Amino acid sequence: KNQVEQSPQSLIILEGKNCTLQCNYTVSPFSNLRWYKQDTGRGPVSLTIMTFSENTKSNGRYTATLDADTKQSSLHITASQLSDSASYICVVSAKDSSYKLIFGSGTRLLVRP
Amino acid sequence: DVKVTQSSRYLVKRTGEKVFLECVQDMDHENMFWYRQDPGLGLRLIYFSYDVKMKEKGDIPEGYSVSREKKERFSLILESASTNQTSMYLCASRVLSSSYNEQFFGPGTRLTVL
Repeated sequence: KNQVEQSPQSLIILEGKNCTLQCNYTVSPFSNLRWYKQDTGRGPVSLTIMTFSENTKSNGRYTATLDADTKQSSLHITASQLSDSASYICVVSAKDSSYKLIFGSGTRLLVRP
Repeated sequence: DVKVTQSSRYLVKRTGEKVFLECVQDMDHENMFWYRQDPGLGLRLIYFSYDVKMKEKGDIPEGYSVSREKKERFSLILESASTNQTSMYLCASRVLSSSYNEQFFGPGTRLTVL
């Protein structure tokens, strides 16, 4: 069964600190993996997307990694800011589906001053 | 920039009422989607539409119907709202040729059914 699992469920860090969020997936055949940021009461917004051949991709202070062999991805946030407080959702797309996305349940991050 | 808008940010309805949630996208995307999002469950697909007047059931279509009369507009209908349909509803759209299956989301409608 295609699944995406994220950890931790929630995380609290101090402003300025770094953190890493984890995503494990069992989706096959794999097409791509995307990290979304969802602010409270808002829709998800794409941060990064990675295909099978990519193992690192950055977007400002956000760096995503992908290990297609172990089917793991991580999202590293550097020098956190209060505006990073949000839910981060890992989403995987399978090659055999033209439209379907498999969503993780998200990690809720709170950055405190 | 792709813009997906939803008719209401917050909605409160009573059990048994008929509820319409509307979504509009301005990028001429062929595909549109309705999801619901509940704590700890992630986003679950209710219905999607390949194109005008075309629709297919997603993973949890029970209790919902949809309408797509115009390309830019996709409506989700709760024929008789129930308390277990209290949730966050998200609309998304996608261009048919998207090789990355990138979906663009609206801001969401938080529906409470009393």
